[in-house]
Amino acid sequence: AQTVTQSQPEMSVQEAETVTLSCTYDTSESDYYLFWYKQPPSRQMILVIRQEAYKQQNATENRFSVNFQKAAKSFSLKISDSQLGDAAMYFCAYRTGLNYGGATNKLIFGTGTLLAVQP
Amino acid sequence: KAGVTQTPRYLIKTRGQQVTLSCSPISGHRSVSWYQQTPGQGLQFLFEYFSETQRNKGNFPGRFSGRQFSNSRSEMNVSTLELGDSALYLCASSLERARNTEAFFGQGTRLTVV
Repeated sequence: AQTVTQSQPEMSVQEAETVTLSCTYDTSESDYYLFWYKQPPSRQMILVIRQEAYKQQNATENRFSVNFQKAAKSFSLKISDSQLGDAAMYFCAYRTGLNYGGATNKLIFGTGTLLAVQP
Repeated sequence: KAGVTQTPRYLIKTRGQQVTLSCSPISGHRSVSWYQQTPGQGLQFLFEYFSETQRNKGNFPGRFSGRQFSNSRSEMNVSTLELGDSALYLCASSLERARNTEAFFGQGTRLTVV
């Protein structure tokens, strides 16, 4: 079974600085997807960034980028130029790829990292 | 384009009662998944429906059930409520399983069992 681990329950960053959130996962599959979701106090989960395992290039979305190390099964999120609005719970999530496990959109989540942004 | 709508937003129920939660996916999305979020267990997958069929189920007791209608709207039901069922229940909708599919979440239903 696949597992996702986030070892940092809480992190803090100064506004305009850079912070990196860690995520490791375990799987025997070679085709899968990894996601970072943000959950602000409103509780709505918002997709931040997505990475497809077969793509070697790290995904980037504006101030958000990932460091995807497939062999090490590591998927960290880097937030550059942190803003007050980035304060939220961040979840790393795994989804099986098209070649495994039949048709499913099931997500396996880590336990989350609560990010505080200091003004 | 309207997002995923979950109703009600908040519920308070008594132990032993049953409850039904509703989820309306984004128009055109046929896949609906449900998750339970608690401080102790985090986010756990409940079940997934696609075209009115349950195609995946998490490790929850039979008291948790769901269904999907022909318009893709989904409901989940919890019978004989226990205090431990207090949680935020999140619904997510997706297009058919495809390489670029992503899950869009609703704002959740906060269930409190007293």
